[in-house]
Amino acid sequence: GAVVSQHPSWVICKSGTSVKIECRSLDFQATTMFWYRQFPKQSLMLMATSNEGSKATYEQGVEKDKFLINHASLTLSTLTVTSAHPEDSSFYICSAPPGTSGNNEQFFGPGTRLTVL
Amino acid sequence: AQTVTQSQPEMSVQEAETVTLSCTYDTSESNYYLFWYKQPPSRQMILVIRQEAYKQQNATENRFSVNFQKAAKSFSLKISDSQLGDTAMYFCAFMNPWSGGGADGLTFGKGTHLIIQP
Repeated sequence: GAVVSQHPSWVICKSGTSVKIECRSLDFQATTMFWYRQFPKQSLMLMATSNEGSKATYEQGVEKDKFLINHASLTLSTLTVTSAHPEDSSFYICSAPPGTSGNNEQFFGPGTRLTVL
Repeated sequence: AQTVTQSQPEMSVQEAETVTLSCTYDTSESNYYLFWYKQPPSRQMILVIRQEAYKQQNATENRFSVNFQKAAKSFSLKISDSQLGDTAMYFCAFMNPWSGGGADGLTFGKGTHLIIQP
């Protein structure tokens, strides 16, 4: 199956700093990528849809100025958590459907654990 | 907006037994996709099985099968001959079909923690 990578796998930062998380599709192109957040012992919640060449679309309640998304190419999307605070500590997961996939499958990255001190 | 409900926070069965995880959903769409994902302790999401709503036949993948009841909006997962490696969180997920604007994200249920006892 297709492979999606995330970098870093974990990060610890101080409150008030910004953190960038990368999501890469390694062996396919993805015009769309998705970002999810998962709190401990909870489900995945869709945060935003990253679109190559256009602005990201955010789910209701997600602050677009706090979670900046840039889909720089057909294989890379980045999520920047700006002015991070302890409540932003979470597990962030990206996913990508290959191209204009007819089978509607999405491939998930391994996730990034963010801890804000 | 779609909602997905998993009413079993945790289940525990003995190895080799059969277990069924329940999932219900709510949507006004007639065509959509349903998925079961497995999340082991590594937290890597793994697709277990997929069902297209327009297909009446229930999907099967080796020891995994679903009971899809479209009218009842029910999508349960049956695991036969359960193995220790099946221990994980299982999430039911809903997705609208691709449109001219591309893919939609997934809406997940809260998950069921399945424990397979030796």
